[in-house]
Amino acid sequence: DTGVSQDPRHKITKRGQNVTFRCDPISEHNRLYWYRQTLGQGPEFLTYFQNEAQLEKSRLLSDRFSAERPKGSFSTLEIQRTEQGDSAMYLCASSLVQSNEKLFFGSGTQLSVL
Amino acid sequence: DQQVKQNSPSLSVQEGRISILNCDYTNSMFDYFLWYKKYPAEGPTFLISISSIKDKNEDGRFTVFLNKSAKHLSLHIVPSQPGDSAVYFCAARPITYSGAGSYQLTFGKGTKLSVIP
Repeated sequence: DTGVSQDPRHKITKRGQNVTFRCDPISEHNRLYWYRQTLGQGPEFLTYFQNEAQLEKSRLLSDRFSAERPKGSFSTLEIQRTEQGDSAMYLCASSLVQSNEKLFFGSGTQLSVL
Repeated sequence: DQQVKQNSPSLSVQEGRISILNCDYTNSMFDYFLWYKKYPAEGPTFLISISSIKDKNEDGRFTVFLNKSAKHLSLHIVPSQPGDSAVYFCAARPITYSGAGSYQLTFGKGTKLSVIP
């Protein structure tokens, strides 16, 4: 069990640029989640996949955000035309079907938009 | 509006004593509650959970109590150890109108616990 892996750990970008993050879940987990955490706040739900299907999306996920999980394995989260308000820690988590409340989180990608 | 509230941003406890972390919620549709622990530069890790049909769940040094009528839960750590120093998040999952559990967890802002040796 290598845990949930996220890449990169840190990303600094200029406003208006596009960024993409990658998440590799625990291999046997078929559910994958994206959360966002800003300073002084708890994680906020963004979206959720079961296998390759995106089943839930938060209204926090504006049309500048897109997430994919091709083949039900790794996932990518892309932010287009980044804004300073997008600066946050982006957390990925995965879980098994039978224990969906018990999420295993990665260490996150810290995004800074200048 | 904060549906899950952790009103104490920080808590300091002497090693060996009891740590009590509190959490209040406002959404009556929450049916499952979890506590996560987070160390700096790491993602949150699951600690303990409780279903709304129970009022207590225990796992080693950790016990979670749920008072549904007060919409309040608490995490007790006994005895507290320096390695318990971390940020603790309370989280809740709502039941959907279809009766199934939603996959969205709502987190509180966290309480930073410091256990002093």
